[in-house]
Amino acid sequence: GIQVEQSPPDLILQEGANSTLRCNFSDSVNNLQWFHQNPWGQLINLFYIPSGTKQNGRLSATTVATERYSLLYISSSQTTDSGVYFCAVAPGSYQLTFGKGTKLSVIP
Amino acid sequence: SAVISQKPSRDICQRGTSLTIQCQVDSQVTMMFWYRQQPGQSLTLIATANQGSEATYESGFVIDKFPISRPNLTFSTLTVSNMSPEDSSIYLCSVGSRSNTEAFFGQGTRLTVV
Repeated sequence: GIQVEQSPPDLILQEGANSTLRCNFSDSVNNLQWFHQNPWGQLINLFYIPSGTKQNGRLSATTVATERYSLLYISSSQTTDSGVYFCAVAPGSYQLTFGKGTKLSVIP
Repeated sequence: SAVISQKPSRDICQRGTSLTIQCQVDSQVTMMFWYRQQPGQSLTLIATANQGSEATYESGFVIDKFPISRPNLTFSTLTVSNMSPEDSSIYLCSVGSRSNTEAFFGQGTRLTVV
């Protein structure tokens, strides 16, 4: 099956810093999503981005489908950004394969 | 996006018992899915819940352990049977968008087996 690798596995940031999270995948995909899992376990949809670039406030994402990677940018990080960020892909439609996640800790 | 409600949000269960998790969607959806997230791990797809037919299970998951019902286009249940402490996980229901291939998740059920 498709492989998804996320880096870095752990990231500690000072509040206000910027960061880039990376997701590499091993095959062509029809779906690529970024999620934020909060401390209560809820998955929050950040971006649906099988290709191209999107921005939402302090967050933006870019997927280069031909080179099989995606990047999530977090600018001016806040303590509420802490949690685990997952990249998930699907070669077909909705059945997602998740990466292992990046655990982000933002300290005041 | 669809509004997805999962019940219960959390439970503590005795080993050897079973728990049924409910997933209710506010609109009709073709595709519903169940995922498991073991402590400190990523999410893994358990099965696709098919309306009107048996669920389709992923490798490593079997119907006897995780029976699934899908009686209509807005509702599904996942039962975790004969539980052991290794079943302690977050179980999440997911549905697909009607307009593209985006997936949305319920708030999850945090299960602890003692």
